[in-house]
Amino acid sequence: AQKVTQTQTSISVMEKTTVTMDCVYETQDSSYFLFWYKQTASGEIVFLIRQDSYKKENATVGHYSLNFQKPKSSIGLIITATQIEDSAVYFCAMREINYGNEKITFGAGTKLTIKP
Amino acid sequence: GPKVLQIPSHQIIDMGQMVTLNCDPVSNHLYFYWYKQILGQQMEFLVNFYNGKVMEKSKLFKDQFSVERPDGSYFTLKIQPTALEDSAVYFCASSLDGGIAETLYFGSGTRLTVL
Repeated sequence: AQKVTQTQTSISVMEKTTVTMDCVYETQDSSYFLFWYKQTASGEIVFLIRQDSYKKENATVGHYSLNFQKPKSSIGLIITATQIEDSAVYFCAMREINYGNEKITFGAGTKLTIKP
Repeated sequence: GPKVLQIPSHQIIDMGQMVTLNCDPVSNHLYFYWYKQILGQQMEFLVNFYNGKVMEKSKLFKDQFSVERPDGSYFTLKIQPTALEDSAVYFCASSLDGGIAETLYFGSGTRLTVL
């Protein structure tokens, strides 16, 4: 069974700094996909970045990057040069390669507050 | 990016009534999903749908729930009859195909309040 755990309920940092949000997962599969989504105050859920488990290189998109540590089943999200509009709830998610099992499992989320 | 629209954004109904939540997925997407989020908690998978059929559903997808997408119109989630524990935000999502690496695009949710 899939399980995704985000232990940080909330984080608060100053604008223009770097923040890391943690996520660990459990899976029986050797291949899987990891995602980070952002849920804004309006409720909108936005896809941010994806890591394929078979890739050793950490994914990077804009000011988002991942710290993928496969032996530790960990996929941290790093946001550099944070901005006020980065304030949101961030969800980590996983999808296993198991045809017929198409669901994505989400973590509980981390609320990020960026202070001016 | 691609947009998924959900109508209405908020629905209040009395327990026992029927409710239909509507989703307008991204135009060329083929796979559709419903997720349920109780306030302050994580999103939980309900069901996914492709080519007119339910592909997979979770234990949360009770017998009172049904989904359909008649003739390429809205992808709908119907709850009949509703129960108090159905109060939550329901998110619709779609993806281009069912590929494991495919990104899901979510709507902004419909907040359902069952009184």
